[in-house]
Amino acid sequence: AQSVTQLDSQVPVFEEAPVELRCNYSSSVSVYLFWYVQYPNQGLQLLLKYLSGSTLVKGINGFEAEFNKSQTSFHLRKPSVHISDTAEYFCAVSWSNQFYFGTGTSLTVIP
Amino acid sequence: GAVVSQHPSWVICKSGTSVKIECRSLDFQATTMFWYRQFPKQSLMLMATSNEGSKATYEQGVEKDKFLINHASLTLSTLTVTSAHPEDSSFYICSARPSSGSRTDTQYFGPGTRLTVL
Repeated sequence: AQSVTQLDSQVPVFEEAPVELRCNYSSSVSVYLFWYVQYPNQGLQLLLKYLSGSTLVKGINGFEAEFNKSQTSFHLRKPSVHISDTAEYFCAVSWSNQFYFGTGTSLTVIP
Repeated sequence: GAVVSQHPSWVICKSGTSVKIECRSLDFQATTMFWYRQFPKQSLMLMATSNEGSKATYEQGVEKDKFLINHASLTLSTLTVTSAHPEDSSFYICSARPSSGSRTDTQYFGPGTRLTVL
C-alpha cells in the first residue's frame, strides 16, 4: 500500500525567509511524486512533479523539490517566501493511476 | 493548458433535494476523471473514479446510489448528490487526467464546488 506523510501540519515563516515543507512516502514500487498548492476556497494547482530523471525538480512560483529515494522523501523548498505563498500544500504519490494525498501543510507567511 | 472547470462553484440546497455538479476538461480529453471530497482543514478523500462510457468505480464506504456519477463524454463528468442531507455539506473537487500526450501521468484539478445543505 502507498501512503504519504506530511509531518508538519502548520508552518509559519517570515516573509523573505526560506521554507521547507516535508513529505515522506512509503511504497514498495516506483511511484510518481507531486506537490500541489491550494488557496482558500479553490481547487488544487500543480506546483511540480517528479516522474524520473534529475532528482531536483523545479516548479512554478520559485518552488523546487528534491526526490531522495533512499530516504523516501520529496521535500518542497523555496529560498525566499512571499505573502502570496500563504496556502495549503499537499504532497501526493501516484501509483497505478491513483493519487494518494498527504494531510497537507498550512504555510503561513508572516509580514 | 490543462484547465478543468466545475459548475457551480457553490450551491445551497434544502435537505432532501438533489444537486448536480459538473466537471469539464476545457482543453484536453479525459478518459478518466476523479471525484474528491474535502472537509475543512483536511486532505482530499477520493470518492470515485469516473470512466468515460462505463460505470464509475467507488471507493469503500462511498454510497454509489447517493453519489451518482455519469461520464458521458471525454470532457464531461457529473456528480449528482441525491437526497442531500446536512452531513453531505462539503467541498467537492474533481480532477481529470489527459487521455493522451505527455501529461497522462498528472491529474489536473477543478476549482471545487462548495455544497451547503440546509
